Amino acid sequence: EVRLVESGGGLVQPGGSLRLSCAASGFSFSEYWMAWVRQAPGKGLEWLANVKRDGSEDKYVDSVKGRFVISRDNGNNSVSLQMNSLRDEDTAVYYCARADSVAVEYFDFWGQGVLVAVS
Amino acid sequence: SYVLTQSPSVSVAPGKTARLTCGGNNIVHRGVTWYQQKAGQAPVVVVYFDDERPSGIPARFSGSNAGSTATLTIRRVEAGDEADYFCQVWDRRTDSYVFGSGTTVTVL
Repeated sequence: EVRLVESGGGLVQPGGSLRLSCAASGFSFSEYWMAWVRQAPGKGLEWLANVKRDGSEDKYVDSVKGRFVISRDNGNNSVSLQMNSLRDEDTAVYYCARADSVAVEYFDFWGQGVLVAVS
Repeated sequence: SYVLTQSPSVSVAPGKTARLTCGGNNIVHRGVTWYQQKAGQAPVVVVYFDDERPSGIPARFSGSNAGSTATLTIRRVEAGDEADYFCQVWDRRTDSYVFGSGTTVTVL
């Protein structure tokens, strides 16, 4: 069974930093691109970043470029999101998600999410 | 940037058919994914690559894509189908993933 479990959320002041982690199990982790997607309270979904299978490439949405860094540890089957210079508008539930293995065009499994509150 | 347009809400009686639309410029040339998100839960894929269903998703859920509109059809709607539904594509031009704003399905 595919499982993605996020951790590291919480309350942080504006300008602060937070590191989210996602522990993966139930699949061959190193064979999949991984991503972070967030959802502000009462709002829609926003893709933030994804990282290639071997960690050699990453991509970001413009709103977090230069502030957030995605990384992965294939030895520990985990992916992380380092969030710096946090703003009020970063308040959201953050989801770890696995990209599909065929075209890397959608997210076939999601974690339950972790809440980040910036205030 | 590429924009996906969804109606905010749809109401449907049990047993009837709900049709949710997702509009985008030449969306027919992109693979569309539909996610179902129930209250307090993570999104779940119900349709991918326009019209494919993951294992475990009932055949009542089907997708289509033509011209500038992709459609998610839910037949014989049940109370358990009440949720937010988001469409999503990968935008090759910006190499980014784009989500629609979501449609809330209410079962009367």
